[in-house]
Amino acid sequence: LAKTTQPISMDSYEGQEVNITCSHNNIATNDYITWYQQFPSQGPRFIIQGYKTKVTNEVASLFIPADRKSSTLSLPRVSLSDTAVYYCLVGDGHNQGGKLIFGQGTELSVKP
Amino acid sequence: DAGITQSPRHKVTETGTPVTLRCHQTENHRYMYWYRQDPGHGLRLIHYSYGVKDTDKGEVSDGYSVSRSKTEDFLLTLESATSSQTSVYFCAISEEQGLNYEQYFGPGTRLTVT
Repeated sequence: LAKTTQPISMDSYEGQEVNITCSHNNIATNDYITWYQQFPSQGPRFIIQGYKTKVTNEVASLFIPADRKSSTLSLPRVSLSDTAVYYCLVGDGHNQGGKLIFGQGTELSVKP
Repeated sequence: DAGITQSPRHKVTETGTPVTLRCHQTENHRYMYWYRQDPGHGLRLIHYSYGVKDTDKGEVSDGYSVSRSKTEDFLLTLESATSSQTSVYFCAISEEQGLNYEQYFGPGTRLTVT
């Protein structure tokens, strides 16, 4: 499984765009990049997933450069309710028994 | 939201007692997982199931056993609870196996072993 590195914490203000970068230097050819979000006292929930270039959905965008050794989760115009821990996961799953290795995640704090 | 419930949501128990946590799903998903979450460790997989009566160990399975007699229910048992098993336990489900398939998580069970 590819190891991921992401900042432990980030602060932002309401209305700003937040970019959280995840490093995954050992990403394999078949690996996907997936981000989960976890609010306090809740289970994680899937936000977005990508393989290369850019993916956008109603919640976030995911930017993946050509070498795929890093990825950036972009949250546009954050609000207080975006305060959560964000996890970057890398793998294809087929060789890992479906396990999700969450790591420490990035604790995002959005202030008014 | 995916139909996943966990029971109980909170439990306090004494060291040495057996404890069973239940995960129930209404999505008919094949895969079910038990994780524990502790400060400084993120989420760690305890056991998972890939079908009725089909289970396998995760990375922190010692002291835990699981059973799945029906598609919708996945039970986690602490045979003899220890203080190191104080944690928040999350159940998750997925339609298929693999990182490219979304896992849906339950609300969690906060277990305290005194």
